[in-house]
Amino acid sequence: EDQVTQSPEALRLQEGESSSLNCSYTVSGLRGLFWYRQDPGKGPEFLFTLYSAGEEKEKERLKATLTKKESFLHITAPKPEDSATYLCAVQGLNNDMRFGAGTRLTVKP
Amino acid sequence: NAGVTQTPKFRVLKTGQSMTLLCAQDMNHEYMYWYRQDPGMGLRLIHYSVGEGTTAKGEVPDGYNVSRLKKQNFLLGLESAAPSQTSVYFCASSYNHEQFFGPGTRLTVL
Repeated sequence: EDQVTQSPEALRLQEGESSSLNCSYTVSGLRGLFWYRQDPGKGPEFLFTLYSAGEEKEKERLKATLTKKESFLHITAPKPEDSATYLCAVQGLNNDMRFGAGTRLTVKP
Repeated sequence: NAGVTQTPKFRVLKTGQSMTLLCAQDMNHEYMYWYRQDPGMGLRLIHYSVGEGTTAKGEVPDGYNVSRLKKQNFLLGLESAAPSQTSVYFCASSYNHEQFFGPGTRLTVL
């Protein structure tokens, strides 16, 4: 069965303090690994799709990387507006989408 | 473009009542999804559709039914609501693996 585990559950950073979020996964044939951002009371917002091990994608202060067993979301010099819950999801060959429980990030000024 | 819209935004039901949640998208996407989100459990896929007239079960389909009669609409039905179905429900549509989510429906079953 496909599984996604995210760590840590919560992360508190000072503004400018870089860190990484982890997403470990098991899937029967990876179609894609996805990162989303979710603000309170809103639907998730798409950030990245990664398709194969070794792939990296960047957007502003965020960089996502992928290996055969896990993905990292690196946050460089975060700002308070980066505070949100970050969700990781995988899609297997059966088109099923499996999400992790998320990492709740708080960036203090 | 409105993107993905969901109706209603909030609803309170009594155990045993039925209701239908409506999801509409104006982006001409083939794929549509229904999820529920509970505290500490992330998003769980209920049902999805890969095109008009097709539906498939996701991770937690029991107690729900869906229909995709028109490409732009995806309906989620609860025939006999139970307190365990209290949750926030999100609809999404996708193009090229990127999912676009609606604002959610907060459902409480008493």
